Amino acid sequence: DTAVSQTPKYLVTQMGNDKSIKCEQNLGHDTMYWYKQDSKKFLKIMFSYNNKELIINETVPNRFSPKSPDKAHLNLHINSLELGDSAVYFCASSQRDRNIQYFGAGTRLSVL
Amino acid sequence: ILNVEQSPQSLHVQEGDSTNFTCSFPSSNFYALHWYRWETAKSPEALFVMTLNGDEKKKGRISATLNTKEGYSYLYIKGSQPEDSATYLCAFTGTASKLTFGTGTRLQVTL
Repeated sequence: DTAVSQTPKYLVTQMGNDKSIKCEQNLGHDTMYWYKQDSKKFLKIMFSYNNKELIINETVPNRFSPKSPDKAHLNLHINSLELGDSAVYFCASSQRDRNIQYFGAGTRLSVL
Repeated sequence: ILNVEQSPQSLHVQEGDSTNFTCSFPSSNFYALHWYRWETAKSPEALFVMTLNGDEKKKGRISATLNTKEGYSYLYIKGSQPEDSATYLCAFTGTASKLTFGTGTRLQVTL
């Protein structure tokens, strides 16, 4: 059983489209995160939710909207996709904020 | 802006060599320092979380030390094996509840 699973693994889409990436964890963790791996392979936090409440919201365009229907899921919806959104997006979870994080396998988004 | 820096950026060693890398981080508002191992085409996996000044952690041939007063941590690998080839990331967390990652040290171990 995969502890933190993201779907899809690859996403190729046109500029201007709206897309979602889903994340689920079966570890019973309270906190979930979205990271973006930028062109320099650097992992940068985008959002964090603790028990369905937003606790970290970094400077991210408001075209990106996270949604947490329950504490096991944190989905990322992106409106009006731009070329610069192309990256690998990683979901992670932890028992509490600041504890060890468990990462999903990543979603490679390519905007054409 | 928090600066978490790792050195060297990349390292190439022979099988059997021992090696170490450095992570430097802000020494104020410290909560924890994480080390992750990230193999190509996989996701980062946690190695250690250290919270106390002077902490030392060990997992097999890999160990880490922590100095929160001067803001650095060392990761050591004893007797490197080809399967140790990966990027090693450190991440700092302070009072802001988020992990700030360094850019990693890419280790390649050859036979």
